[in-house]
Amino acid sequence: GAGVSQSPRYKVAKRGQDVALRCDPISGHVSLFWYQQALGQGPEFLTYFQNEAQLDKSGLPSDRFFAERPEGSVSTLKIQRTQQEDSAVYLCASSRGSGTGYEKLFFGSGTQLSVL
Amino acid sequence: RKEVEQDPGPFNVPEGATVAFNCTYSNSASQSFFWYRQDCRKEPKLLMSVYSSGNEDGRFTAQLNRASQYISLLIRDSKLSDSATYLCVVNTNAGKSTFGDGTTLTVKP
Repeated sequence: GAGVSQSPRYKVAKRGQDVALRCDPISGHVSLFWYQQALGQGPEFLTYFQNEAQLDKSGLPSDRFFAERPEGSVSTLKIQRTQQEDSAVYLCASSRGSGTGYEKLFFGSGTQLSVL
Repeated sequence: RKEVEQDPGPFNVPEGATVAFNCTYSNSASQSFFWYRQDCRKEPKLLMSVYSSGNEDGRFTAQLNRASQYISLLIRDSKLSDSATYLCVVNTNAGKSTFGDGTTLTVKP
């Protein structure tokens, strides 16, 4: 596709519900990142994939958060038993190369998650 | 203390003004540096990379001081369309990008 696509754009969940957020990166992009952005703050790193390998998941806030990219393209971020503090915008980004840190990140429009 | 710190502002300036934003980072192993721009309710987009020698892109000038672990962005001749949040971004060689919380700029007519 032309850009990074995320769905759904908005998600309202009841506390305790499981949610799944999808990211479709730019075709051919090797690296994929998930970020969490709370209101008034910058994006906080959650996890990073190089192809299908999850190389860094140090930013996942708890074991309720799980991410996968089984075929090295589309990725899913799953949050189990959602809590109110999970309410945020979840941003996905991709980059062309192997995540050396010198590359431009292309972001999707994000999924705004509201947990009631 | 956050790894990347920015003055949150807001900076309210008239059109045509020159404005400067600062950013400090704590990880001395950081290797690459960027400024991203984020409009309200939109995703961040790369504004410019920051090189050790300093670099300019039109009205925007970015500078890096590795010894002081300090990055700056200067905007000359501000336009209404420059109103946004500017995010300082620092990368290690492991690919992880660490963002500051951003500085909000409002340019007024």
